[in-house]
Amino acid sequence: KQEVTQIPAALSVPEGENLVLNCSFTDSAIYNLQWFRQDPGKGLTSLLLIQSSQREQTSGRLNASLDKSSGRSTLYIAASQPGDSATYLCAPATSGTYKYIFGTGTRLKVLA
Amino acid sequence: EAGVAQSPRYKIIEKRQSVAFWCNPISGHATLYWYQQILGQGPKLLIQFQNNGVVDDSQLPKDRFSAERLKGVDSTLKIQPAKLEDSAVYLCASSLYPSSYNSPLHFGNGTRLTVT
Repeated sequence: KQEVTQIPAALSVPEGENLVLNCSFTDSAIYNLQWFRQDPGKGLTSLLLIQSSQREQTSGRLNASLDKSSGRSTLYIAASQPGDSATYLCAPATSGTYKYIFGTGTRLKVLA
Repeated sequence: EAGVAQSPRYKIIEKRQSVAFWCNPISGHATLYWYQQILGQGPKLLIQFQNNGVVDDSQLPKDRFSAERLKGVDSTLKIQPAKLEDSAVYLCASSLYPSSYNSPLHFGNGTRLTVT
């Protein structure tokens, strides 16, 4: 059974800092892994999708890495801004069934 | 493209009453998911459909929850009877199948259920 852990649970940083969010999962038989952003009262928005054969994926100030064999992924946010304040969730998709299992998320607050 | 549509946006019911949620996925998306998100937690998968067939419903409380996806398009999730612990946001998501190389999971805005 896939279990997903995200560390830290909450993070508060001043604007402009670079930061790293961590995601670990127990079953390495995954098809891909997605990082999502969730704003209060809203659904989830997909930020980055990394296929199991990839090591990295970049979009603007966001960079996600994947080490499938060790069951780890990181989301790097460069030059953080107050608009980045949200909860960030990772979800690996189980190979074969495309069943996405979510972590509990990291609640990020970027201070102006 | 239009996003995943969910209704209602909010629902308040008393315990032991029944409630239904509706989801219309993005056109052409064969895979549809229902998740339950309790405040402060990550989404928990309740049921996954592939077209109109169930792929996984291992965490669906089948004594009170039911879901269907007629004609492989829109879907309804029903709770009968509701319990206090069912208070949560119910999220619907869809994706292409098989999960294409660059096909992410798209979520609706959810239905916030309060059971009193």
